[in-house]
Amino acid sequence: GQNIDQPTEMTATEGAIVQINCTYQTSGFNGLFWYQQHAGEAPTFLSYNVLDGLEEKGRFSSFLSRSKGYSYLLLKELQMKDSASYLCAVRDSNYQLIWGAGTKLIIKP
Amino acid sequence: GAVVSQHPSWVICKSGTSVKIECRSLDFQATTMFWYRQFPKQSLMLMATSNEGSKATYEQGVEKDKFLINHASLTLSTLTVTSAHPEDSSFYICSASPTSGRGSDTQYFGPGTRLTVL
Repeated sequence: GQNIDQPTEMTATEGAIVQINCTYQTSGFNGLFWYQQHAGEAPTFLSYNVLDGLEEKGRFSSFLSRSKGYSYLLLKELQMKDSASYLCAVRDSNYQLIWGAGTKLIIKP
Repeated sequence: GAVVSQHPSWVICKSGTSVKIECRSLDFQATTMFWYRQFPKQSLMLMATSNEGSKATYEQGVEKDKFLINHASLTLSTLTVTSAHPEDSSFYICSASPTSGRGSDTQYFGPGTRLTVL
């Protein structure tokens, strides 16, 4: 079957750096997405990786290794507003998005 | 750019009534739109893929007669929950990908519609 694994919850300190990992086993691969979702709101797009390597966008970076079925989202200079759930999603060979359950990130002062 | 709107943002209805939720891509055209449901503290669950001008493709376990989808134009898809029951109470989210050009690899999400069935 298809599976996306990410930690259920993480805690970090304001101003610090946190890395959220995502491992996947899917039928084919056509890209990996990271979304941010605040409680009670719809997800917002953060990043898209289809080739191996690091994509940097401001305080957020996303890394992909297709051979390892692995990605991470790196958040730098954490702010209180970064407290949210972070969803990893992989597009399979049928171009369907397979979603992880999300990682709840708690930022402490 | 790439804004998706949903209407209404929340709705409360009585059991047995039908509720229509609209999803619009405001500044791009979308041949395909997606409808998701999310229960509290759970992941997004794809319900169906809505294709402009043709029938929607439903995921396994989703009743097509209960969740009616219409994608009449390149900027509008509607989801109608027919004969709603309390177990249908959930957060319904639509998304859309631009038909072509920049961002066509990305799904943009609407703000969601919170449905409560009494």
